[in-house]
This record gives sequence, structure tokens and C-alpha cells, in this order.
Amino acid sequence: KAGVTQTPRYLIKTRGQQVTLSCSPISGHRSVSWYQQTPGQGLQFLFEYFSETQRNKGNFPGRFSGRQFSNSRSEMNVSTLELGDSALYLCASSLGLGVRSEQFFGPGTRLTVL
Amino acid sequence: AQTVTQSQPEMSVQEAETVTLSCTYDTSENNYYLFWYKQPPSRQMILVIRQEAYKQQNATENRFSVNFQKAAKSFSLKISDSQLGDTAMYFCAFMKHENYGGATNKLIFGTGTLLAVQP
Repeated sequence: KAGVTQTPRYLIKTRGQQVTLSCSPISGHRSVSWYQQTPGQGLQFLFEYFSETQRNKGNFPGRFSGRQFSNSRSEMNVSTLELGDSALYLCASSLGLGVRSEQFFGPGTRLTVL
Repeated sequence: AQTVTQSQPEMSVQEAETVTLSCTYDTSENNYYLFWYKQPPSRQMILVIRQEAYKQQNATENRFSVNFQKAAKSFSLKISDSQLGDTAMYFCAFMKHENYGGATNKLIFGTGTLLAVQP
């Protein structure tokens, strides 16, 4: 069974641009969560989706948004990029919500904002 | 709000030795779960072990075991017979337990401990 895939793996953008990151969950998984990983702030929760509905959102500005499609694939978008948005963005998928559904992480998308 | 603290930014251990990574957390919740995740260099994060707060028995997974002290809000990870492949960043994480419509996968992570296993 294929694991969680994230595309692209690496991305370089300039300040003010926008970016879209994609996450394809493991087949059959209906939940996707997103995290931002930086050396300074560590791993921070962005949002989670289940069956196309955003169930929870972290403390990030409105420039960060996401969605989930009917095939459970998820995208996150960051508009008006800032230097501080440079980070590794991880997504995790699981069958459902709650601890009984183990979360599996993707390899991440490394975003560099110049 | 919940917080997770890992006070050891880096640790080193000799191959075949035992090492313990520390984690403390703060929460007013009574039902929750605790996890240790491993993130090897340039590789995906994987679950090492998890503990349900209502269970007094400490979780074990092969060479990995935890020491869960609920009253002290402490959750340490012990790695026995350390192997070179254990070299990684280890994250302690917290998840609230919610039933039914409130269930969530939101993890609150500590800042991580970089473990180096020396040959």
C-alpha cells in the first residue's frame, strides 16, 4: 500500500507570492492533518480535515487555508508569502479521527521563501 | 491550553546501551493520549509508541518503553539496546481524547530531542 505522498517535495518562492501544497493520503484514509515544522517554533498544527470538512484549525493567520476533496486528497494554500513561512510542511493521514486511527506522515514539502 | 516540554535538545548514546528521553506536559484534561514519534534524518515521521492516560500500565513496543507518571505529568521514553538506526529526532506529543463528534487528530508536539547513537 502506498504511503502518504506530498507534492512538490521542494519549493522556492519569493515574498508576496502564493503557494499550493498537495497531500495524497493513504488509500481509504479519510482524514488529513497539516503541520508546519520550523527550527524556531517546532511542529505546529495547521488544520485537519475529515470527509471534506475542516474539523479543526490551528492558530495561523488567514493567509493559510486548505481544503479536502472528495477523494480525500488535500491541498493547503498560503497567500502573500512571508519570509517566516519558510518551513517543512507535513501532512498526516488516518482512517478517521481520534486516537484509534493511527496517523501516518508524509515526507513533507520544504518551502523556502526568498 | 496544553503544552509539551522536552528539556533535552540533544542526547548521545553508545550502541547497545540504554537511553531515556524526558518529556513533561501540562493539561487540565483528564482523558488524553501521549505519543513518541521518531523523525530520522530526511525521512518520514513514524509513531514509536503511545500511551492512554487512563491506563496505569506503561506501554512497551519491543526495545521501546515508557515511564508514564500521570500525577507528575511526565512521560519518558526508554530505548534499550540502542541501534544505529535509532538515530533520529524524537518528539513527544499530546492528543486530547474527545468522543463522537468532537474527535480530533490534533497533536501538540514538544520541541524534540535529537538522539545520536554512536558506534
